[in-house]
Amino acid sequence: KQEVTQIPAALSVPEGENLVLNCSFTDSAIYNLQWFRQDPGKGLTSLLLIQSSQREQTSGRLNASLDKSSGRSTLYIAASQPGDSATYLCAVMTGTASKLTFGTGTRLQVTL
Amino acid sequence: ETGVTQSPTHLIKTRGQQVTLRCSSQSGHNTVSWYQQALGQGPQFIFQYYREEENGRGNFPPRFSGLQFPNYSSELNVNALELDDSALYLCASSSSSGARAQYFGPGTRLLVL
Repeated sequence: KQEVTQIPAALSVPEGENLVLNCSFTDSAIYNLQWFRQDPGKGLTSLLLIQSSQREQTSGRLNASLDKSSGRSTLYIAASQPGDSATYLCAVMTGTASKLTFGTGTRLQVTL
Repeated sequence: ETGVTQSPTHLIKTRGQQVTLRCSSQSGHNTVSWYQQALGQGPQFIFQYYREEENGRGNFPPRFSGLQFPNYSSELNVNALELDDSALYLCASSSSSGARAQYFGPGTRLLVL
């Protein structure tokens, strides 16, 4: 059974700092890994998707890496801004049903 | 290109009642997945529909059922509501080929009293 863990559960940083969010998963037989952002009470916004054959993806100030053999992914956010404050969720896709298994998220607060 | 839409946005029901939630998938997507997200938790996979057939199911009882229509929109039905069914219900659409990225709707917040 796939299990996804995200560390830390919460993080508070001053504006401008670079930060790293961590995600680990127990079964390396994944199809892809997605990072999502969720604002309070809202749906999920897809940030980055890394296919199992890839090592990293970049979008603007965001960079996500994947090490399938060790069951780890990181999301790097450069030059953080107050608008980055949200919960960040990591999810891995396994099986033919394209099922996503989620971690419990990292709640990020960027302060002025 | 229209994104994933869900209705209603909020719903209040009492224990024992039945509820139907609706989802319209993104243009070009033929697969719809439903997730339940309890407060402070990550979403949990309920089931997925592909070409109007259930194509995988999570650890949810049979009183959670669904449908997918020829236009790929979908419904989630929950019978005999329980207090623990209170959650945010999320619908995601995707293509069955390629990267299979899932795109989520805004969710339906269900409160069971």
